[in-house]
Amino acid sequence: GDSVTQMEGPVTLSEEAFLTINCTYTATGYPSLFWYVQYPGEGLQLLLKATKADDKGSNKGFEATYRKETTSFHLEKGSVQVSDSAVYFCALTVTSGTYKYIFGTGTRLKVLA
Amino acid sequence: DTEVTQTPKHLVMGMTNKKSLKCEQHMGHRAMYWYKQKAKKPPELMFVYSYEKLSINESVPSRFSPECPNSSLLNLHLHALQPEDSALYLCASSQERTGTGANVLTFGAGSRLTVL
Repeated sequence: GDSVTQMEGPVTLSEEAFLTINCTYTATGYPSLFWYVQYPGEGLQLLLKATKADDKGSNKGFEATYRKETTSFHLEKGSVQVSDSAVYFCALTVTSGTYKYIFGTGTRLKVLA
Repeated sequence: DTEVTQTPKHLVMGMTNKKSLKCEQHMGHRAMYWYKQKAKKPPELMFVYSYEKLSINESVPSRFSPECPNSSLLNLHLHALQPEDSALYLCASSQERTGTGANVLTFGAGSRLTVL
């Protein structure tokens, strides 16, 4: 079945460090891929998305490229800030007419000043 | 208005109580969702409404009863819950599916439920 695998957290970085959170997926068909972020005490919010192979999603300095050949959608940011501390979820939907998201387990990021 | 509003933010209830969680959106979205999120876990889908009709029920126990009175409102009625039902309940909405399948979810802040 369809699935998303994320790197285990927590990830602890110093401010201005480079961030990579790995995400790989298994899906039949042609999924759309997403990164959602959840700040403490809040719901999830869309960070970025990509709908086809080689698309790059970007927002707030974060980027992720849809790599069909490696079935990956790794999240990167060149210089993290304390305010980026949150839980990051990789997710996919498949174009099968359903409304289901498949979420990864989430990766907690803590950025130290 | 690009928000999903959930009330109450916090709810404490006994196992014999009846309570309801409410969700409202005014983005014209035609699909609305209930998710359950336990601590340090991803959201788990409970129900999906599409055009005010129940589209998906993920085998949720009958002590949870969803209701969609109109295209902007979604309720979750709670009765005879168990302590293990304590969790963050998230409402979300999305536009109808497009040909690209990029069905972006907009989440509310959640209702944190504690069952004693």
